[in-house]
Amino acid sequence: AQTVTQSQPEMSVQEAETVTLSCTYDTSENNYYLFWYKQPPSRQMILVIRQEAYKQQNATENRFSVNFQKAAKSFSLKISDSQLGDTAMYFCAFRNTQGGSEKLVFGKGTKLTVNP
Amino acid sequence: GAVVSQHPSRVICKSGTSVKIECRSLDFQATTMFWYRQFPKKSLMLMATSNEGSKATYEQGVEKDKFLINHASLTLSTLTVTSAHPEDSSFYICSARDIRDSEETQYFGPGTRLLVL
Repeated sequence: AQTVTQSQPEMSVQEAETVTLSCTYDTSENNYYLFWYKQPPSRQMILVIRQEAYKQQNATENRFSVNFQKAAKSFSLKISDSQLGDTAMYFCAFRNTQGGSEKLVFGKGTKLTVNP
Repeated sequence: GAVVSQHPSRVICKSGTSVKIECRSLDFQATTMFWYRQFPKKSLMLMATSNEGSKATYEQGVEKDKFLINHASLTLSTLTVTSAHPEDSSFYICSARDIRDSEETQYFGPGTRLLVL
């Protein structure tokens, strides 16, 4: 079974600085999707960024980028120029593309606080 | 685009009653919707996968007779918590997959907070 591990329960960063959130996963599949979701205090889950495993280029979305290391099964999220609105829980998630399963497997989350 | 709504946003009910939660995809069609449960300061736990026109697929340990799921159209799935008890109090979140999205991203609703007294 696939597992997703986020080893940092909490992190903090000063406004305008850069922070990296870690995520590792375990799978025997070769192709799959990886996601980072953000859950602010409103509790609305918001997609931050996604990556397909067969794409070697790291995904970027404005201030958010990932460092995808397939061999190491690592998928870290870098937030540049952190803003107060980035304060939220961040969940890393894995989804298989094989076997018809569409289930998302989530990590336990990292609580990020951006300090003024 | 890709907006998912849930209704109600919060509900308080008495023990033993049933509560229905709706999940709607507002601007896309979703053959598949997902229901999650989230305890305070915890991650999301998948309860079931809702398939339009067929029976839902429940995760291990989730009672299908207690958590009734109906997915009668391409834009609506409902979760009914039957004979609710205080231990069913939780935050319930649905998500939907846009059938046109080749990357099959799940878009989440805003959640429903259920409190059973």
